[in-house]
Amino acid sequence: QVQLVESGGGVVQPGRSLRLSCEVSGFIFSNHAIHWVRQAPGKGLQWVAVISDDGSQKFYGDSVRGRFTISRDNSKNMVYLQMNSLRDDDAAMYYCAKGPYRKATMTGDWFGPWGQGTLVTVSS
Amino acid sequence: DIQMTQSPPSLSASVGDRVIITCRASQRIGTYLNWYQQTPGKAPKVLISVASRLQNGVPSRFSGSGSGTDFTLTINSLQPGDFATYYCQQSHSFPPTFGQGTKVEIK
Repeated sequence: QVQLVESGGGVVQPGRSLRLSCEVSGFIFSNHAIHWVRQAPGKGLQWVAVISDDGSQKFYGDSVRGRFTISRDNSKNMVYLQMNSLRDDDAAMYYCAKGPYRKATMTGDWFGPWGQGTLVTVSS
Repeated sequence: DIQMTQSPPSLSASVGDRVIITCRASQRIGTYLNWYQQTPGKAPKVLISVASRLQNGVPSRFSGSGSGTDFTLTINSLQPGDFATYYCQQSHSFPPTFGQGTKVEIK
């Protein structure tokens, strides 16, 4: 069955970096865009970034653009989110989610299935 | 960015009730509207895409409707596993945005 498993979360000081990983199985990984979505404790959902099937398209939300970088390794069925210059408001559960299409079309896109999430805490 | 507003923010209902959740977009989005269910401590799960298309494996008591700016998620005959928070999300324009959620609680 389709599985997405995030890892790499933890406690990090403001200004420092962290790299999240998303390991995927159960479908043809190289045929799908992958998204990252986050949820601050007790809050709603916020889309973070997307990468297309071949990595040629990458899009980011305004709050992370210039600080976060999404990448993928199709030989390993892995997606990564490199998070630099972390801020207090980056603290959240980070989920990766499968997109229905190859490209990061955005229009008509939806997210699912999702992984179980990895928690990022930003604290000095 | 397109703002998504859900109502009510929360509601109390009993098993067997019909529940209707509404979602309003700040501009017209056609039918580019998705619904998700999130139970406590779990990841969200997509229920409905493009306003009314039920995802594989989602029970038929869930249905979605609407177009333009106004959308509804209806749950017929609420079941114990349906007590959760529901989110709408627009996929008409970048960036994709979510409603603030509607928490369905047990009465």
